[in-house]
Amino acid sequence: GAGVSQSPSNKVTEKGKDVELRCDPISGHTALYWYRQRLGQGLEFLIYFQGNSAPDKSGLPSDRFSAERTGESVSTLTIQRTQQEDSAVYLCASSPNRRTNYGYTFGSGTRLTVV
Amino acid sequence: KNQVEQSPQSLIILEGKNCTLQCNYTVSPFSNLRWYKQDTGRGPVSLTIMTFSENTKSNGRYTATLDADTKQSSLHITASQLSDSASYICVVSPRMDSSYKLIFGSGTRLLVRP
Repeated sequence: GAGVSQSPSNKVTEKGKDVELRCDPISGHTALYWYRQRLGQGLEFLIYFQGNSAPDKSGLPSDRFSAERTGESVSTLTIQRTQQEDSAVYLCASSPNRRTNYGYTFGSGTRLTVV
Repeated sequence: KNQVEQSPQSLIILEGKNCTLQCNYTVSPFSNLRWYKQDTGRGPVSLTIMTFSENTKSNGRYTATLDADTKQSSLHITASQLSDSASYICVVSPRMDSSYKLIFGSGTRLLVRP
């Protein structure tokens, strides 16, 4: 597609439920990234994909968080047993490859609210 | 710990006025420094990218400067418009293998009033 697409744009969920957030990167971009942005704070790196592999998962805050990517395209970030502290905007970005991180393009994010 | 610090946290200016936003970083060595604009409810959009050897880069009314010796960067906005109201984020890309892991400042929230 023309840009990075994320869905849903907003999600309200009850504490303890699982949620799935989706990212469709720019076609042909091999690198994909997930970030979390808490209110008034900077973006926190969560995970990086090169193709369908995730060589760096170091930013995932707990084992309740997982992500996968298929077909070197769509990625899903899953949060299990959501907690109120998970409330944030989750941003996805893609780039043509990791060596040049030029062409880094963000989606509009998914605003997650855990009540 | 690598850090990117921005100031001020927030700023209000009148339409047509100029302003300058500051960024101090401790990331070293670094590959490039970027400024992003993030409108409310949107993802960040790149304004400028400077390598460590560049000291200024312009994009329309936006001019970024970089002093790699003092590890400081600034973003100057000329003749501000209402549409400039947004968060401006300074981002540093470390050199070497972790260059994909951009390091973000917390941003400066700019409000331009008529």
